[in-house]
Parts: sequence; C-alpha cells; structure tokens
Amino acid sequence: DAGITQSPRHKVTETGTPVTLRCHQTENHRYMYWYRQDPGHGLRLIHYSYGVKDTDKGEVSDGYSVSRSKTEDFLLTLESATSSQTSVYFCAISESLAGSPDTQYFGPGTRLTVL
Amino acid sequence: GNSVTQMEGPVTLSEEAFLTINCTYTATGYPSLFWYVQYPGEGLQLLLKATKADDKGSNKGFEATYRKETTSFHLEKGSVQVSDSAVYFCALKGNYGQNFVFGPGTRLSVLP
Repeated sequence: DAGITQSPRHKVTETGTPVTLRCHQTENHRYMYWYRQDPGHGLRLIHYSYGVKDTDKGEVSDGYSVSRSKTEDFLLTLESATSSQTSVYFCAISESLAGSPDTQYFGPGTRLTVL
Repeated sequence: GNSVTQMEGPVTLSEEAFLTINCTYTATGYPSLFWYVQYPGEGLQLLLKATKADDKGSNKGFEATYRKETTSFHLEKGSVQVSDSAVYFCALKGNYGQNFVFGPGTRLSVLP
C-alpha cells in the first residue's frame, strides 16, 4: 500500500470557521490531488499539485485553497467553511512517468461535517 | 473532453455468480484505464489497470481487457464472494493533461 495518511480522519466544525486538512505521503511522488466525494456526484477534483509550490484548480475549487511547501505534504484549506462543504475528502498521489502522472493511489479519507 | 460511463447499479448477486460491470469511455488517443474498488469507510484502492489496447489487467480474480475498437474496459469475475461487496469505479488517464476522469461508481452487493 502507498504511504498516504490524512489528518484529521474526522472533523466537525461550525459554519464560518477555517479548516485545514492535511495529506502526507512517504512515497516522494510528484503529483498530489484533493477530491471530494458526495452521493450522486462521485469523485470531484478540487485542486492538484504537480510539484512543490506548483498547484492548479480542479472542477470544484471555489471556497478552497491549497499549499504545498514540501514534497510530502499537501494542505487543503477551507477559509470559511459552509454546510455545502460537508463531504468526505480524499487525497491521492501519483508518480511521474515520462513527465505525466501515472497511477493514482488514495488516502483513507477525511469525513468533514460543517454544522 | 474525456469521459467515463459505467452502469451505476446497484448490482446484487448471489455468492459464486459471474460478475460483469460495464465501462465505456470517450477519449482522444490512447488513455490508460483503471478499475478501483472502495470498501465501506475506506479510500479507493487500485484493483487493476491497462495502459494499451488489448492489454488485460487482472488481480484477485478480477479481469478487464482494454478494447480500443469498442472503447470499453468491462470488469469481470468468474465467481464473486461476499467479501467483494463494495463500490467499483472505472477511471481513465488521458494522454494529454494531468488529470484523471472517474465514472460514478457501481455498488455491488453479494449475498451468501
């Protein structure tokens, strides 16, 4: 199994508060991703990173920001949480193969509830 | 753009039955194709993959063949077990760009 951890695994917070989720990898993979999973919507990409300090938006990036200051860590921040951001968040990593991402490997997920 | 279509289910089978979950895709060039499995409360796990036409991916009794002519990557297993109950996702990685496209997932329930 790929070495990916996510913290916290569960969090309950209130509307309007900032929240940061952490993804940590021990594989030294170049690419890292944040997804959210919701019933009826499947997996949706929030943001991804293609190197240290190199990030880009996915299809549902509004209300989220990311940072990657080290290869092993990719942080997802909800600046002011809303109830619509209640979801399960997954981090994924993939190594570079000929300059493009190869197979994705997923973390265990973080269940976030915004009250 | 690239897309993946798969039967959404739920699919309910008896133990030892034959399983097929259909997956078709739309993509330019020659994408890589994947099947992932998600057990309750867990993240997605790679089940198998294929990177070129006519490749067959296999793992844990599951198989899928990359069919370029029908743009399909159907998942099959000859005899399912109760422990195979999970959600199965078909996915592709295109030749261009850096992102993956996932199907909506198919929930499989296997009854003893």
